[in-house]
Amino acid sequence: AQSVAQPEDQVNVAEGNPLTVKCTYSVSGNPYLFWYVQYPNRGLQFLLKYITGDNLVKGSYGFEAEFNKSQTSFHLKKPSALVSDSALYFCAVISVGYNFNKFYFGSGTKLNVKP
Amino acid sequence: KAGVTQTPRYLIKTRGQQVTLSCSPISGHRSVSWYQQTPGQGLQFLFEYFSETQRNKGNFPGRFSGRQFSNSRSEMNVSTLELGDSALYLCATCQGMSNNEQFFGPGTRLTVL
Repeated sequence: AQSVAQPEDQVNVAEGNPLTVKCTYSVSGNPYLFWYVQYPNRGLQFLLKYITGDNLVKGSYGFEAEFNKSQTSFHLKKPSALVSDSALYFCAVISVGYNFNKFYFGSGTKLNVKP
Repeated sequence: KAGVTQTPRYLIKTRGQQVTLSCSPISGHRSVSWYQQTPGQGLQFLFEYFSETQRNKGNFPGRFSGRQFSNSRSEMNVSTLELGDSALYLCATCQGMSNNEQFFGPGTRLTVL
């Protein structure tokens, strides 16, 4: 069965510090991996994706994520957090060749960046 | 390009009623997916339509149904509403290839009283 796990419901960091939001996945076949961000009362916004190639993917707003096949992880990172990064973050996976275009989302991680 | 639009943005219904939600995709996007978002359950996949055909389906009861029109606009219908159907319903669209990211609409907030 395909699944995505975000082990932390909430992550707290101070502004200017690096941040990491964790994501692990379980899929049959090769994964396509995505990160989305949701601000209050808004839909989800795309941040970045891993399809193939370089394991380090750079995305919007200074975010990046590292694909680790052996650990089946796709953690979201940013070198220096901003208060405006405070939001709900979702990791998602598609299993290539299985259930075409069916996204599996993690439960979400609330990021709190304090001044 | 205009983004994904969803109507209405807010809806209040009572138990037993039915409701229809609408989603207009970004021009050129042929795939439309629907999700239910609740605080306790996160984002749950309902179904996906591509070229007017349901291509994927989540684990929701038959009270939840959808359709897609030739212009790719999609509607979602929930019949015999229950209190537990109160949620944010999100529509997401993409071109249809599996390596494409989905673009989300702002959602429809449904409250069932």
